[in-house]
Amino acid sequence: AQSVTQLDSHVSVSEGTPVLLRCNYSSSYSPSLFWYVQHPNKGLQLLLKYTSAATLVKGINGFEAEFKKSETSFHLTKPSAHMSDAAEYFCVVSPNAGNNRKLIWGLGTSLAVNP
Amino acid sequence: DTGVSQDPRHKITKRGQNVTFRCDPISEHNRLYWYRQTLGQGPEFLTYFQNEAQLEKSRLLSDRFSAERPKGSFSTLEIQRTEQGDSAMYLCASYRGQGYNEQFFGPGTRLTVL
Repeated sequence: AQSVTQLDSHVSVSEGTPVLLRCNYSSSYSPSLFWYVQHPNKGLQLLLKYTSAATLVKGINGFEAEFKKSETSFHLTKPSAHMSDAAEYFCVVSPNAGNNRKLIWGLGTSLAVNP
Repeated sequence: DTGVSQDPRHKITKRGQNVTFRCDPISEHNRLYWYRQTLGQGPEFLTYFQNEAQLEKSRLLSDRFSAERPKGSFSTLEIQRTEQGDSAMYLCASYRGQGYNEQFFGPGTRLTVL
């Protein structure tokens, strides 16, 4: 079985400071892992994905995530927050084995960026 | 724009009415997924299709819900006898198939049941 735990429901940072959104996963199979972002009244957008290649994954808008198998973590980081980063962020796991490829979602982390 | 469209974007209905939503995926994608997102939660898997075959349904999908993908292209999700608890964002995702990892999401249909 697969599951995702986002360790913080809400994170608040100042503009220009680093962002860290934490995610732990559980998977019976070698997983694919994703971070999606959802801005208010907008659709879900893929930020980045890990699919068993490089463990440090670079995404759009300066975001990165590192897959750490020993810690079962996939934390999302950005060196310097921008006001436009304020949104809801979801960590997602999908098994690489099996056929259904359905996505299992965390509950989300709401990121606030203060001026 | 991901190339996945959903219609309508918003639907307000009274309890007990039937509603139907449509999803048009990316044309060469053979898989289509439906998810539901309630306020303050992450999306939850409802069902998925491989071409026209519905291969899996979540326990969240009660017998009031039915989904179809008659020609392996667009899909419809119908909710009969709507309840207030059905109020949510219904999301459709398009997936190319084996060897690819990303699901592309439509903008969603927000359902409000009064």
